[in-house]
Amino acid sequence: KNEVEQSPQNLTAQEGEFITINCSYSVGISALHWLQQHPGGGIVSLFMLSSGKKKHGRLIATINIQEKHSSLHITASHPRDSAVYICAVPNTGNQFYFGTGTSLTVIP
Amino acid sequence: NAGVTQTPKFQVLKTGQSMTLQCAQDMNHEYMSWYRQDPGMGLRLIHYSVGAGITDQGEVPNGYNVSRSTTEDFPLRLLSAAPSQTSVYFCASSRRGQGPDTQYFGPGTRLTVL
Repeated sequence: KNEVEQSPQNLTAQEGEFITINCSYSVGISALHWLQQHPGGGIVSLFMLSSGKKKHGRLIATINIQEKHSSLHITASHPRDSAVYICAVPNTGNQFYFGTGTSLTVIP
Repeated sequence: NAGVTQTPKFQVLKTGQSMTLQCAQDMNHEYMSWYRQDPGMGLRLIHYSVGAGITDQGEVPNGYNVSRSTTEDFPLRLLSAAPSQTSVYFCASSRRGQGPDTQYFGPGTRLTVL
C-alpha cells in the first residue's frame, strides 16, 4: 500500500509549456513537501505547505487538505526544470512517506 | 556551511564485505536519517536519529547498523554486503521542531555490491 501516489510517473514537455504534477496521499498530515532531484542525484526541498498555495519563481504548489491532494505547477517550463519531482508527507516526528517521483523532461 | 556531506560518492563492494558510509552535517540539526533509493521506488527510511545517543529503525533496517555519538555525525554500517543492498544512499538532516521541518539531503552514495 502506497501512502503517497504521484502522477504522472513520466512527463515530457516542450519548452514554455505549463506543467502539472499531482500528488495524492492517504494519511492525515500537518504539511506536505515537494522535493526536486537533479539529474546528478542531489535532492533539494522546494516547498513545505500545509494549506492553500505557495509560489517560488515559476513554481507554484497547491494543497487541498480535505481532498488529500497537492499539485505542483511549473509555468513557462525550461530545459533546466528537467528533474525528478518528489512528493513527501510526514508520518511520525520528522519521518516521511515519499512518492516514487515524477520524471520531467523539458525539450528545447 | 557545508550542509550535509556524504562519503564516498561511489563504492563497489564484493558480497560479504563490510563498510561504513559517512554522513556529517554542520547545521546543528537534531534529526538525521538514512534513506535508500531504488529504481521505481520512493525513498525508503533505513535508520534515523532524533539526537546524539538515540537511534531507531526505519522501514528497511535489516543489514544496516547506525550510531550517533555526536550531533554532527551519523555513519551507516553495512555488516555483510549483499547484492540486494545495491542502491543509492542518501543522508538527510533537519531541525527538531513542532512538526516535520525542511530536510536537507546529502549528495548521495552510489553503492554497487557484486
